[in-house]
Amino acid sequence: DGGITQSPKYLFRKEGQNVTLSCEQNLNHDAMYWYRQDPGQGLRLIYYSQIVNDFQKGDIAEGYSVSREKKESFPLTVTSAQKNPTAFYLCASSTLRLVDTQYFGPGTRLTVL
Amino acid sequence: DAKTTQPPSMDCAEGRAANLPCNHSTISGNEYVYWYRQIHSQGPQYIIHGLKNNETNEMASLIITEDRKSSTLILPHATLRDTAVYYCIAGGSNYQLIWGAGTKLIIKP
Repeated sequence: DGGITQSPKYLFRKEGQNVTLSCEQNLNHDAMYWYRQDPGQGLRLIYYSQIVNDFQKGDIAEGYSVSREKKESFPLTVTSAQKNPTAFYLCASSTLRLVDTQYFGPGTRLTVL
Repeated sequence: DAKTTQPPSMDCAEGRAANLPCNHSTISGNEYVYWYRQIHSQGPQYIIHGLKNNETNEMASLIITEDRKSSTLILPHATLRDTAVYYCIAGGSNYQLIWGAGTKLIIKP
């Protein structure tokens, strides 16, 4: 089955710790995205990548970092510099066409205690 | 990028057509209208998108007004599984989508 996997589904961390969220896709998509969603709100773009070893900041990149060493993988690190890291994090992928369907993973709910 | 306005919530009876409105009065000529939905605590699911013409697929129909300032998503025969938050998004590309708070659609038996 083709799709996007995110792990873990729930993650708890202490304040001040960095944490890395996993995102893997087997759809052979070139573009991958990370979004943040707060309760009752829409999605906000953190980072996106169109090609291996290259990525672009989205609207709320501060306090986050990403890497794209393989086409299938786009991990997100939430650093201790992110002031309000507790949120629902969603990974997506698509082709490079400017207008195309984005396929989303099931999300990771991060709680920082 | 254009901002969209949607009602915060709507009800619809099961088996009836659900009509979800969206205003995007500042949309520019090259910006598309996309609809996604999100069932509680899951990743969003693509529904449909369009530029000028009305569009239909196996899930829904999208009706865009001639001046492109508003649109309506139509679910022709709503089922309980259609209960979700529906997002109307106007954007020029996948890298420029601005998501609002959406409409919470509740399908009632």
